Amino acid sequence: DQQVKQNSPSLSVQEGRISILNCDYTNSMFDYFLWYKKYPAEGPTFLISISSIKDKNEDGRFTVFLNKSAKHLSLHIVPSQPGDSAVYFCAAIGTGTASKLTFGTGTRLQVTL
Amino acid sequence: GAGVSQTPSNKVTEKGKYVELRCDPISGHTALYWYRQSLGQGPEFLIYFQGTGAADDSGLPNDRFFAVRPEGSVSTLKIQRTERGDSAVYLCASSSGPANEQFFGPGTRLTVL
Repeated sequence: DQQVKQNSPSLSVQEGRISILNCDYTNSMFDYFLWYKKYPAEGPTFLISISSIKDKNEDGRFTVFLNKSAKHLSLHIVPSQPGDSAVYFCAAIGTGTASKLTFGTGTRLQVTL
Repeated sequence: GAGVSQTPSNKVTEKGKYVELRCDPISGHTALYWYRQSLGQGPEFLIYFQGTGAADDSGLPNDRFFAVRPEGSVSTLKIQRTERGDSAVYLCASSSGPANEQFFGPGTRLTVL
């Protein structure tokens, strides 16, 4: 069973506009959430994270929102840039699991000119 | 380079053969993780080392898979009697501690014919 779900396999956004990537989870024991960005032939790189005690975390152009009651989080990128084109993975860590990451299936973002 | 390195970058083998995949973590990182990413999926946790010992091997799919980290640095993932379903990208990550950011290597793409 997929405990972390990214239901949109791909997303296309114009440069300068907002990109919104969504993620849903089912496991109530998850208490820390992360977004990773992946380019072809490279490993995932950490982007931004949020603890379950918060509902928003912002870092420059990137903001992550967490809605615990809905078990939903989203990543907002504004303004989107062509270099943001990559696959984005949502990941979660459960209480007491020593940073073992559970990943979603990823969303491929393409930022067009 | 200061990042996580993995060798080989690509490995093609025949069904039934034995393979070893190597991971060199960032110097000084005590925690090391192996993940497997199948086509169209997100990375899936395999095993976590803290120092020389496997602290969590709950993700290893069966007893054909084994990993070691004898000196607390380099790790080797070993797969016996490979099957076509083992074809995937095997990712290694390291961190300075179990609660800290994981840095990923570029992965080894394993193809079992």
